[in-house]
Amino acid sequence: NAGVTQTPKFQVLKTGQSMTLQCAQDMNHNSMYWYRQDPGMGLRLIYYSASEGTTDKGEVPNGYNVSRLNKREFSLRLESAAPSQTSVYFCASSADRTGREQYFGPGTRLTVT
Amino acid sequence: TQLLEQSPQFLSIQEGENLTVYCNSSSVFSSLQWYRQEPGEGPVLLVTVVTGGEVKKLKRLTFQFGDARKDSSLHITAAQPGDTGLYLCAGARGNMLTFGGGTRLMVKP
Repeated sequence: NAGVTQTPKFQVLKTGQSMTLQCAQDMNHNSMYWYRQDPGMGLRLIYYSASEGTTDKGEVPNGYNVSRLNKREFSLRLESAAPSQTSVYFCASSADRTGREQYFGPGTRLTVT
Repeated sequence: TQLLEQSPQFLSIQEGENLTVYCNSSSVFSSLQWYRQEPGEGPVLLVTVVTGGEVKKLKRLTFQFGDARKDSSLHITAAQPGDTGLYLCAGARGNMLTFGGGTRLMVKP
């Protein structure tokens, strides 16, 4: 099993450009999450999807949109990238809606210049 | 202000030493998890504690959940270089996890 996969692994954008980060899980998990990780800040939740067909805002949703394409896939879109969005982005999944025991992907390192 | 405060932020010790990492909050959590993250990778779940006062052991690692379910500690006995990494605690409330800022541990041979 691959677990949680993310693409791309690295990306450099110019301010104002858009992009979509892709995430897929093969564990038949119901819930999926997008986090960003900045130095000294731990992980902060951007958006989550407790089940297929639902999405909700997390702690830092501004500047992002998400799509739960199906049970396996959960994408994160930056419509107009800003330097403040330079970060490492992690996707995670969990078997149930409580959000505990999450399994993480390898991350996408994004730089916005 | 972080909901979960971890201390210390950095810890550098020699192989064989013992250490304790703390995770504190003023909020109650339904469960608390500890993750370990290595450079360039995502966090990996180590343990979940659910009951106040619960103690779990994972080889040389001992995890404790506070009686009031607001805090937790991670104790490592006889640390090894392979224990080097970023240790993150995360509290569950509703259907979300809130992460602490992490403790970066370096164990020197």
